[in-house]
Amino acid sequence: SQTIHQWPATLVQPVGSPLSLECTVEGTSNPNLYWYRQAAGRGLQLLFYSVGIGQISSEVPQNLSASRPQDRQFILSSKKLLLSDSGFYLCAWSRQPNTEAFFGQGTRLTVV
Amino acid sequence: AQRVTQPEKLLSVFKGAPVELKCNYSYSGSPELFWYVQYSRQRLQLLLRHISRESIKGFTADLNKGETSFHLKKPFAQEEDSAMYYCAPQNYGGSQGNLIFGKGTKLSVKP
Repeated sequence: SQTIHQWPATLVQPVGSPLSLECTVEGTSNPNLYWYRQAAGRGLQLLFYSVGIGQISSEVPQNLSASRPQDRQFILSSKKLLLSDSGFYLCAWSRQPNTEAFFGQGTRLTVV
Repeated sequence: AQRVTQPEKLLSVFKGAPVELKCNYSYSGSPELFWYVQYSRQRLQLLLRHISRESIKGFTADLNKGETSFHLKKPFAQEEDSAMYYCAPQNYGGSQGNLIFGKGTKLSVKP
């Protein structure tokens, strides 16, 4: 069966520090991968998606970047965090573009 | 541009009352429609999809292409239905990978 792992579960970082959130999928190959930010009142905002290694599409301009160094690994990064980067980040995967998505447990990021 | 609207941020009903969570979409082509649910302290997960014509946990969703709506309904709400619900129209089978979701509706079912 397929599983998705996302870590860390919670993270407190100072303003200006770097960020690296990792997501890995097991039990499938060539998944479509997604990073979302979930915020109260703003719903589920798609940040990045990837349909293959090295292929990253950004949905919104922001202080974050994403990379896919391996087939089943998706990383969300920032060089310098802003207070506004605080939020709940979700990683997800799907077998094909725009089919059912499977979500990780999420990371609660607090920038102080 | 693709757009999905869930007009209600919060919907509060009493147990046993009917519930309808609204979803309207603006989409090129013929999208496939999904509803996702997130219960407290659980992962966001698929509730149902239109193509399956299924009823899950008593919920159904009717696609109205004329009104471009995909409202989620349940005739008798239960307390365990309290959760966050997201509507998601997708370009089923398309090459683009951008799964978009509505802003969500928080359903609160009171005893």
